[in-house]
Amino acid sequence: DGGITQSPKYLFRKEGQNVTLSCEQNLNHDAMYWYRQDPGQGLRLIYYSQIVNDFQKGDIAEGYSVSREKKESFPLTVTSAQKNPTAFYLCASLRGTEAFFGQGTRLTVV
Amino acid sequence: GENVEQHPSTLSVQEGDSAVIKCTYSDSASNYFPWYKQELGKGPQLIIDIRSNVGEKKDQRIAVTLNKTAKHFSLHITETQPEDSAVYFCAASSRTGTYKYIFGTGTRLKVLA
Repeated sequence: DGGITQSPKYLFRKEGQNVTLSCEQNLNHDAMYWYRQDPGQGLRLIYYSQIVNDFQKGDIAEGYSVSREKKESFPLTVTSAQKNPTAFYLCASLRGTEAFFGQGTRLTVV
Repeated sequence: GENVEQHPSTLSVQEGDSAVIKCTYSDSASNYFPWYKQELGKGPQLIIDIRSNVGEKKDQRIAVTLNKTAKHFSLHITETQPEDSAVYFCAASSRTGTYKYIFGTGTRLKVLA
């Protein structure tokens, strides 16, 4: 089955820690995206990558970092510099104009 | 900056009634307008989309209309069913180097049995 897999589904982080969210796709899509979702707000773009070894900042990149060493993988690191990291994080890949989303990771700072 | 406004934020309808969700976009270069449905704890899924060269598109109980002059587009769901209950997001994008979606803030639709 082709699709996008995000892991873990739930993640708890202590203040001051870095955490990495996984996103893997077997759809052979070039473009991949990371969004943050907060209650009452739309999906906000953190980072995106159009091709391997290349990525661009989105609208809210501060406190986040990404890598794109393989076409299938686009991990997101939430660093200690992100002051309000508690949110639902969504990864997506693009085929033509259609975005395919993963099931999301809910990150909570404890 | 570019933005998409979506209304209403919540919508309750009786089963069998119609539901309408409206979006307004600011970027006149936008030429692709998808609608996504998000169920609780899941990622959004595309339900219907429309391009700027079309004024209306229908897929069974779901339809989308686009008014490029007014920069408005709307989602219409007829004969609503309880399984239509979800959060719906509109988005607008334009191909300026890469597809960069600007999402609306979402509408929580509740279909009351």
